[in-house]
Amino acid sequence: GDSVTQMEGPVTLSEEAFLTINCTYTATGYPSLFWYVQYPGEGLQLLLKATKADDKGSNKGFEATYRKETTSFHLEKGSVQVSDSAVYFCALSDRGSQGNLIFGKGTKLSVKP
Amino acid sequence: EAGVAQSPRYKIIEKRQSVAFWCNPISGHATLYWYQQILGQGPKLLIQFQNNGVVDDSQLPKDRFSAERLKGVDSTLKIQPAKLEDSAVYLCASTLRDRGNVGEQFFGPGTRLTVL
Repeated sequence: GDSVTQMEGPVTLSEEAFLTINCTYTATGYPSLFWYVQYPGEGLQLLLKATKADDKGSNKGFEATYRKETTSFHLEKGSVQVSDSAVYFCALSDRGSQGNLIFGKGTKLSVKP
Repeated sequence: EAGVAQSPRYKIIEKRQSVAFWCNPISGHATLYWYQQILGQGPKLLIQFQNNGVVDDSQLPKDRFSAERLKGVDSTLKIQPAKLEDSAVYLCASTLRDRGNVGEQFFGPGTRLTVL
């Protein structure tokens, strides 16, 4: 079945460092890909998404490009802030599955001042 | 615009007891989801409703879990009887999604269940 694999955490960075969180997927169809973020004490929020190959999703300085050839959707940010400390989840939604989301295990990011 | 509301936020019960969670989706959202998030893992879908009908409940442990969405608005998820492995955060999400389109899912804050 469909699945999502994320890099293991936790990840600890200093403020203004470059961030990459790797995400690869397995899907039989043509899924849409998402990054969700969960800040401490809050619910999951959509960070960005891409619905087809070569699309780039971006929001709040974060970017991810849908790479069909490598089945990847890596999250990047050029300069992280303390406020970016959160748990990040990669997810996919296959149109054949009624739009249900399949999540990775999550990567906890801690940014130190 | 009000978000997805869930209650209670926290619940502690003994094993073999029953428990119920409530979710009120964003107004006008036809599709409602319940997810289970075990500590250290990503959320896993339990059940999906489209209005008041079940679209997908293939991963719902039907011997102990049940869910309903009366009148296509609020939803209740019940566990009876609870087991230790049911300790998790239960998330409700909703989406303004037309048939065949994948819309953004909006999540509630979740209910953290601890089974002792």
